Amino acid sequence: EAGVTQFPSHSVIEKGQTVTLRCDPISGHDNLYWYRRVMGKEIKFLLHFVKESKQDESGMPNNRFLAERTGGTYSTLKVQPAELEDSGVYFCASSAYRTTYEQYFGPGTRLTVT
Amino acid sequence: EDQVTQSPEALRLQEGESSSLNCSYTVSGLRGLFWYRQDPGKGPEFLFTLYSAGEEKEKERLKATLTKKESFLHITAPKPEDSATYLCAVQARGTSGGSYIPTFGRGTSLIVHP
Repeated sequence: EAGVTQFPSHSVIEKGQTVTLRCDPISGHDNLYWYRRVMGKEIKFLLHFVKESKQDESGMPNNRFLAERTGGTYSTLKVQPAELEDSGVYFCASSAYRTTYEQYFGPGTRLTVT
Repeated sequence: EDQVTQSPEALRLQEGESSSLNCSYTVSGLRGLFWYRQDPGKGPEFLFTLYSAGEEKEKERLKATLTKKESFLHITAPKPEDSATYLCAVQARGTSGGSYIPTFGRGTSLIVHP
């Protein structure tokens, strides 16, 4: 069974540019989560999809971040325009059920904004 | 506000030297406490879920316990391959009422020397 995959693994962009991160969850997993870890800090929740619907986006920092999950399969997280403080590692995770915490994480995308 | 504090931040052990990692938490209405292992360049890997005080879970050389205020991850006779960052997270109900938003600690970096 293929795990959660994320693309790209690394991205270096300049302040003001746009970046789109992609996450492919485990096949059949309706629940998809985005997290971010800023250097030196803990992993923080960004948002949660159930199929194609946003169940909770209370962790999204501001309106420069836009997440989509068309068709309930893969998800994208777009940052536009990127700021220096957006640098960090963005993780995606998926789970089969909403109420279980056995989430499967992807390897993350390391975003550096210069 | 939910809080998770892990200690120590870093731990160096000799192979075979048993020790414990601590996770102290403050959360209203704990739904569950979770331990993850994270290797460099990878996403967190699920280890255990604990739901109620007094509960214990074991996996190979790892044993997780839970009280009303903290959790311990005991490592018995560790091997170099146990070297990783160990993350603790607590599960709390999200503001949307349907999403279980996790609060992570910053982790304990464990190095086991041969």
